[in-house]
Amino acid sequence: NAGVTQTPKFQVLKTGQSMTLQCAQDMNHEYMSWYRQDPGMGLRLIHYSVGAGITDQGEVPNGYNVSRSTTEDFPLRLLSAAPSQTSVYFCATRGHSTDTQYFGPGTRLTVL
Amino acid sequence: SQQGEEDPQALSIQEGENATMNCSYKTSINNLQWYRQNSGRGLVHLILIRSNEREKHSGRLRVTLDTSKKSSSLLITASRAADTASYFCAPGQGGSEKLVFGKGTKLTVNP
Repeated sequence: NAGVTQTPKFQVLKTGQSMTLQCAQDMNHEYMSWYRQDPGMGLRLIHYSVGAGITDQGEVPNGYNVSRSTTEDFPLRLLSAAPSQTSVYFCATRGHSTDTQYFGPGTRLTVL
Repeated sequence: SQQGEEDPQALSIQEGENATMNCSYKTSINNLQWYRQNSGRGLVHLILIRSNEREKHSGRLRVTLDTSKKSSSLLITASRAADTASYFCAPGQGGSEKLVFGKGTKLTVNP
């Protein structure tokens, strides 16, 4: 039981490049979300999903796309990376019958 | 969903002392959760208190909730260096609503 996994752990991109941050969970949780955390800041919600096929925007969705084709996976896509997207990205999940969120270990992204 | 506001922003204490941090929120809630984040890691759930509870304990943690004042406090007793982390509160409505986090309280426990 791996819980919530995120890949890659670290990534360096050049401005304008695209990439996908992966998030997978094996807890059969319906709810998944993506946060970004910048130095001295809290976590800001980017996108979230309440189940396969359903996604919605959080506080800071611009520049990011998501899709949820399966319960297990919730990838976050950066179509054209910008230096302002340099951050640590966390994926989190929650089951239908619990309010507790489980977080992945994070992906540290640097955009040059 | 609503964001909790943690206070103080930073707290530095000696090992063995107690640490208290507070959380305020704006509208009525169903529950409130506290999470811990060690440097560079994901958040870890510590404790959840429901709106009909006033106090809850878990090991060295004590959480109180005052719904009339829309505030909560987290007390860590007999702190250890390993308690050094940032602590976040998350007021919630329950169900499938999204959780929003504030900037947290950064606790440093000096050996």
